[in-house]
Amino acid sequence: NAGVTQTPKFRILKIGQSMTLQCTQDMNHNYMYWYRQDPGMGLKLIYYSVGAGITDKGEVPNGYNVSRSTTEDFPLRLELAAPSQTSVYFCASISPTGRQYFGPGTRLTVL
Amino acid sequence: GESVGLHLPTLSVQEGDNSIINCAYSNSASDYFIWYKQESGKGPQFIIDIRSNMDKRQGQRVTVLLNKTVKHLSLQIAATQPGDSAVYFCAENIGSNYGQNFVFGPGTRLSVLP
Repeated sequence: NAGVTQTPKFRILKIGQSMTLQCTQDMNHNYMYWYRQDPGMGLKLIYYSVGAGITDKGEVPNGYNVSRSTTEDFPLRLELAAPSQTSVYFCASISPTGRQYFGPGTRLTVL
Repeated sequence: GESVGLHLPTLSVQEGDNSIINCAYSNSASDYFIWYKQESGKGPQFIIDIRSNMDKRQGQRVTVLLNKTVKHLSLQIAATQPGDSAVYFCAENIGSNYGQNFVFGPGTRLSVLP
C-alpha cells in the first residue's frame, strides 16, 4: 500500500490564482480529511468526507472547495488564492478502527 | 471552543534518557486520544493511541498515560534515540464520528542531545 499520497509537494501561487491539491488513498477508507497546519498551531480541519459523494465543512472551510467522486480521491480546490492560505496542507484518511493516516503534505505559498 | 494544549513547547533530552511529553485536554467528553510524531517536512505519523476506558497503554519504547481526573495525557519514550527528534503532538476525539471532531495540539519539539 502507498497509503495517502499528495501532489504537489510544493507550490507558489500569485494572489487570485487557483489550484487543486490532489489526495489519493489506496486503503479503501471511507473517511477522508483535509487539514491545514500553520506555524505553532495545531492542525485545523478544512473539509471532510464520509464517503464518495458526501462532503462537509470543517472548522476553516472558507476559500476552499472539495469533491469526492471516488473512494480513493479527495481533491481540495482553491479558487482565488489569498496570502492567508499560505500554509502546509495535509490530507488524511481514517481506518474503520479510528486510526488516522496522513499524507506527506503540500507546502503552499501565496504571494 | 475546546482545545488541546501542551505544557512545554520544546524539550531537550540526552540520548539514552527517557522523555516525557505532556498534554492537557479540556473536553471531558473526549473518548479517544492519539499521539503523533512529525518529522521535518513530513506528515504526522501515528505513534500510539488510548481510549478513555484505559489509563495506560504500552507500545515499543513508548507508553501513553491518561489521567481523566485532571484531563492529562502524557507520552513516555524510553531510551530516547537521535531518531526520536521530531515534533510530537496529541489529538483528542469527541464522540463516535471518527476524525470529524479531532482537536490537535500545537506540538512539542523533542531534541535529542548526543
